[in-house]
Amino acid sequence: EVQLVQSGEEVREPGESLKISCKASGYSFTTYWIVWVRRMSGKGLDWMGMIYPDNSDTRYSPSFQGQVTLSADKSISTAYLQWSSLKASDSATYYCARLERDNFALDYWGQGTRVTVSS
Amino acid sequence: DIVMTQAPLSSPVTLGQPASISCRSSQSLAHSNGDTYVSWLQQRPGQPPRLLIYKVSNRFSGVPDRFSGSGAGTDFTLKISRVEAEDVGVYYCMQPTQLPYTFGQGTKLEIK
Repeated sequence: EVQLVQSGEEVREPGESLKISCKASGYSFTTYWIVWVRRMSGKGLDWMGMIYPDNSDTRYSPSFQGQVTLSADKSISTAYLQWSSLKASDSATYYCARLERDNFALDYWGQGTRVTVSS
Repeated sequence: DIVMTQAPLSSPVTLGQPASISCRSSQSLAHSNGDTYVSWLQQRPGQPPRLLIYKVSNRFSGVPDRFSGSGAGTDFTLKISRVEAEDVGVYYCMQPTQLPYTFGQGTKLEIK
């Protein structure tokens, strides 16, 4: 069974760093892109970027380029989304999802990680 | 970026009645290989998004057959033949044809 399990809720202050995770199981982690999606409260879904775990090839949305960093650790089948300096506007729920390689569909999703940035 | 425009943004529907959501893209989503890659996702309250439809009209595993997708080029539609209470949520179209991938604004389906 394909599963993506994300790390738990985080509360941080502005300027702090953060790294959240997405652990995959039930399929070959290295051969599917992992996509990250943001949902701000009361808003829609925003495509942030994606990473190919086999070689860590990454593609970022221009809106998120330079604001976040995607990474992956093949040895533990885990993808990461990190910030070096959080802003209040980064408060949102973040989802990871697997990109199905033949149909380009986001077929399996993590449960989401809620991030709150507040002083 | 390809802009995905959904209509309506809110859809009050009576249980047992049909519902339809439109999604229009700012560019053709036809791929050079002949396929068109548009997906529809459902997000119920408090849940992560869930894939309903991929490649315009293909239902994902476990999705009830009351959900159907259609369209071509720049115009796509998601239809629910008979709305049930569990269908309440927000529906999104998505295009993975060109980077960055983009979502529609979302359509909130609610019961009258």
